[in-house]
Amino acid sequence: SQKIEQNSEALNIQEGKTATLTCNYTNYSPAYLQWYRQDPGRGPVFLLLIRENEKEKRKERLKVTFDTTLKQSLFHITASQPADSATYLCAAAGYSSASKIIFGSGTRLSIRP
Amino acid sequence: SQTIHQWPATLVQPVGSPLSLECTVEGTSNPNLYWYRQAAGRGLQLLFYSVGIGQISSEVPQNLSASRPQDRQFILSSKKLLLSDSGFYLCAWSAPDRGNYGYTFGSGTRLTVV
Repeated sequence: SQKIEQNSEALNIQEGKTATLTCNYTNYSPAYLQWYRQDPGRGPVFLLLIRENEKEKRKERLKVTFDTTLKQSLFHITASQPADSATYLCAAAGYSSASKIIFGSGTRLSIRP
Repeated sequence: SQTIHQWPATLVQPVGSPLSLECTVEGTSNPNLYWYRQAAGRGLQLLFYSVGIGQISSEVPQNLSASRPQDRQFILSSKKLLLSDSGFYLCAWSAPDRGNYGYTFGSGTRLTVV
């Protein structure tokens, strides 16, 4: 079955460092990979989308990569801040706009001052 | 601008009682609508999705049902709640031709069945 896997262990990073989160997919060839931020008790918020023909996408301090050979996406937060602490979800979608998005279980990120 | 409203925010219900969670979207027409459930520390499980009024697709056999009585209204229901129905329920929408570009989620309902 199609799977989106994220590191279930929490990631603790010193403020100012770059946080890197990993998302791997199996039995799937997504056309799009998406990243969401979820704060405790809240719904996920869409952050970035990257297409399979794009190697890298940036938005302010965020950077996402898509490696179809490794079947992996990396999500980077540069110059991390305590306010970046949250759970980050990876999600994958197919070519069709009707294709359902498959979500990973998320990685909790903590930025310590 | 588009907004999504979901209520209530929290709910404590006894086993065997009925359930009705409501979700409405404003500022858009003919959205795709979704109900997800998120167990503690787990990923999002798609329960139902709808591409139009009266059109409901179920992803997981369960004790729940969904209805879409109006274009921008999506309701999640149960006739008799089970303990295993506890969880965080999320409604989401996407534009009909941009579903693979990402969803906009509501703020969620924390349901505890006791």
